[in-house]
Amino acid sequence: DTAVSQTPKYLVTQMGNDKSIKCEQNLGHDTMYWYKQDSKKFLKIMFSYNNKELIINETVPNRFSPKSPDKAHLNLHINSLELGDSAVYFCASSHQGDTQYFGPGTRLTVL
Amino acid sequence: GNSVTQMEGPVTLSEEAFLTINCTYTATGYPSLFWYVQYPGEGLQLLLKATKADDKGSNKGFEATYRKETTSFHLEKGSVQVSDSAVYFCALLDSSYKLIFGSGTRLLVRP
Repeated sequence: DTAVSQTPKYLVTQMGNDKSIKCEQNLGHDTMYWYKQDSKKFLKIMFSYNNKELIINETVPNRFSPKSPDKAHLNLHINSLELGDSAVYFCASSHQGDTQYFGPGTRLTVL
Repeated sequence: GNSVTQMEGPVTLSEEAFLTINCTYTATGYPSLFWYVQYPGEGLQLLLKATKADDKGSNKGFEATYRKETTSFHLEKGSVQVSDSAVYFCALLDSSYKLIFGSGTRLLVRP
């Protein structure tokens, strides 16, 4: 059983397009996160949701919009993609402040 | 603000050598500390954690001790294997449940 899953694993698209990445967790956690890993492997949090409520919103362009339809899902929609959005995006989940468990990542390439 | 500093990589070792990857942190209070590992082409996996001063986390032969006097959480392993080749991330969990990561240290183990 996959604990935290993401789709798609790879996403290649043109500049200006709109795309979504989906995340699901089956761990019964109440908090979910999106992290971005750049080309130098540096990891930084983007958003966090607790019980479908946004609790962390880092300085991310408003072209990025997270949506949490329920506690088990956290999707990331990106409008008007730019070259600099190319990265690996990781979803994670936890029970509040406990250990965070990560998904396999989605490698986004913007051409 | 909170931050994590890791030694620069890559670290190249021969199989069965002793490994140390240094990690120091700056934080208010006493955050939980983590080591995550990223194998090539994969997501982040929790390696070990420590939640309070003097705690020792251990897993798969790796160990790290939470030292508040030196604000450090160095990762050690007595005898590395080729299969340990990966990127290792030290991280702290801040009070808003954000993981703050170090820049990662690439380990390459040669047969």
